[in-house]
Amino acid sequence: AQSVTQPDIHITVSEGASLELRCNYSYGATPYLFWYVQSPGQGLQLLLKYFSGDTLVQGIKGFEAEFKRSQSSFNLRKPSVHWSDAAEYFCAVPNTGNQFYFGTGTSLTVIP
Amino acid sequence: DVKVTQSSRYLVKRTGEKVFLECVQDMDHENMFWYRQDPGLGLRLIYFSYDVKMKEKGDIPEGYSVSREKKERFSLILESASTNQTSMYLCASSSGGGRQNEQFFGPGTRLTVL
Repeated sequence: AQSVTQPDIHITVSEGASLELRCNYSYGATPYLFWYVQSPGQGLQLLLKYFSGDTLVQGIKGFEAEFKRSQSSFNLRKPSVHWSDAAEYFCAVPNTGNQFYFGTGTSLTVIP
Repeated sequence: DVKVTQSSRYLVKRTGEKVFLECVQDMDHENMFWYRQDPGLGLRLIYFSYDVKMKEKGDIPEGYSVSREKKERFSLILESASTNQTSMYLCASSSGGGRQNEQFFGPGTRLTVL
């Protein structure tokens, strides 16, 4: 069965520091993978998605993610974090019926 | 811009009340979804619908029902609200077919059942 695991429940980084959020997936075939962000009190917004081809995917707000089949990972990165990036981040994988399986989320705190 | 709207941002109800949560999307999407979000548990799928008058159970349908009479509207119903249904409820929609289609989310309804 498909699933995603986000090992880090909470991460704190300083503003301007680099960021990496981990996501590991379990999927029989080539997965489609998504990262969403949820700002406080808001719904989820798509950051980026991977289907095939180039394993480094660029998204909005300066985020990128790299698909690594050998590690079953799709980690989200940002070179320099801004205070406005404080939010909850979700990794997701869809099944053939377009149902999404979401990870449990990683909460990001940014300190000045 | 795709827009998914939910009827209420905050809702407070009493135990045993019937509760309706409404969701409307304006992009003619075939698929619509209801999730609940709880700390540490992520998003869990309650029900989804691929077409008008069609519905499928998700992972946690117990205590909920849904209605989709029109393509743009998907309602979640709590027949008799209980305190363990206090949660954030998120509605989403996507276009039909294809695992590459992203889901678009509404702002959520935070429901408190007293």
